[in-house]
Amino acid sequence: GQNIDQPTEMTATEGAIVQINCTYQTSGFNGLFWYQQHAGEAPTFLSYNVLDGLEEKGRFSSFLSRSKGYSYLLLKELQMKDSASYLCAVKGYSSASKIIFGSGTRLSIRP
Amino acid sequence: EPEVTQTPSHQVTQMGQEVILRCVPISNHLYFYWYRQILGQKVEFLVSFYNNEISEKSEIFDDQFSVERPDGSNFTLKIRSTKLEDSAMYFCASSDGLAGRQETQYFGPGTRLLVL
Repeated sequence: GQNIDQPTEMTATEGAIVQINCTYQTSGFNGLFWYQQHAGEAPTFLSYNVLDGLEEKGRFSSFLSRSKGYSYLLLKELQMKDSASYLCAVKGYSSASKIIFGSGTRLSIRP
Repeated sequence: EPEVTQTPSHQVTQMGQEVILRCVPISNHLYFYWYRQILGQKVEFLVSFYNNEISEKSEIFDDQFSVERPDGSNFTLKIRSTKLEDSAMYFCASSDGLAGRQETQYFGPGTRLLVL
């Protein structure tokens, strides 16, 4: 079966750091994605991990441990515009493979 | 920066009517996808398309659905006889299919379909 778990909601303070965790169990694995989705809009690509370790990209970093089926997205220096849903998603083996999305974590930033 | 485009942005239709949702993927991409998101729910895979044929489809993608690449730039999703439960945001995505970072799927802005 395929299952992706992430917290439903999180709240953080402007300027702070927040870590959004994701665990997954999938029948095939060819990478893990994090997407940002503002309400009523399309998912926007944030990061892609296919090997273990940390990928840093400006204020956002993403970590992957394939043996543990675990990833996190780290957001630093939070801004009010970071209030959005963050979607953890896993891709299957082939290039044409679907992405399986988690339900998303709704992040609220307070001043 | 190249992006996926979709038309229309909103579509309202009567139950039982046919709708065609249109997408223009990023020009050098080879793999195309349709996803849908019912309000308040997760993004769900519908179908993937490569080399003018369906590569994979979900159980949602039944005989009421079809996809086509009618020319070198457009990719369409047709729903033959819409049902109330087809109301959702439909996203088109594309990727270039190369290994590594380029396997990223880039999403269009979506078409919000409302079936009455």
